[in-house]
Amino acid sequence: DQQVKQNSPSLSVQEGRISILNCDYTNSMFDYFLWYKKYPAEGPTFLISISSIKDKNEDGRFTVFLNKSAKHLSLHIVPSQPGDSAVYFCAASPTSNYQLIWGAGTKLIIKP
Amino acid sequence: EPEVTQTPSHQVTQMGQEVILRCVPISNHLYFYWYRQILGQKVEFLVSFYNNEISEKSEIFDDQFSVERPDGSNFTLKIRSTKLEDSAMYFCASSPAGNTEAFFGQGTRLTVV
Repeated sequence: DQQVKQNSPSLSVQEGRISILNCDYTNSMFDYFLWYKKYPAEGPTFLISISSIKDKNEDGRFTVFLNKSAKHLSLHIVPSQPGDSAVYFCAASPTSNYQLIWGAGTKLIIKP
Repeated sequence: EPEVTQTPSHQVTQMGQEVILRCVPISNHLYFYWYRQILGQKVEFLVSFYNNEISEKSEIFDDQFSVERPDGSNFTLKIRSTKLEDSAMYFCASSPAGNTEAFFGQGTRLTVV
């Protein structure tokens, strides 16, 4: 089941630069998208979300962009900080139900 | 800040035994969920619970599994007759409404030996 795909298992970014994490989906019924951050031995922590009626949502250093025609979303973190090093999960949900379908995650490493 | 708490953090059980994983969701939340993550694999939805009944469940959530909200604060996942492949990190989550961001607990690592 590859309804939500994060094709980059890892990403390394210099501190202070922009981190861009990508996510693709196949199910056109998805209309709510979320990004979670996860540290080892902890549960996922909600970061930011976007509904399909928008194409951008911003919260501080985090911005999520949604391109519905391409079935693609991205998370931008700027500027990247050392504490941003974690695994980032993209998740999606259709209005018909509330379960989240998750991507495999991208490990972000912020280099000093 | 309110948080979802899960106990125990790590549970080791023998194959064939029953386990109960416990969760205390955030107090004013109405929707409760269980997810699991097998080592090296994706996070997978198991079940959602609202208004004292299961609202959705995945194919994984078969007769071996059950959920209960025995009182006003706890939300439990029972796994009967555990199998080796049930070994995973089990996450409880809650949300104030459906289709909004869910808040996750720290997880319970279940090891079936």
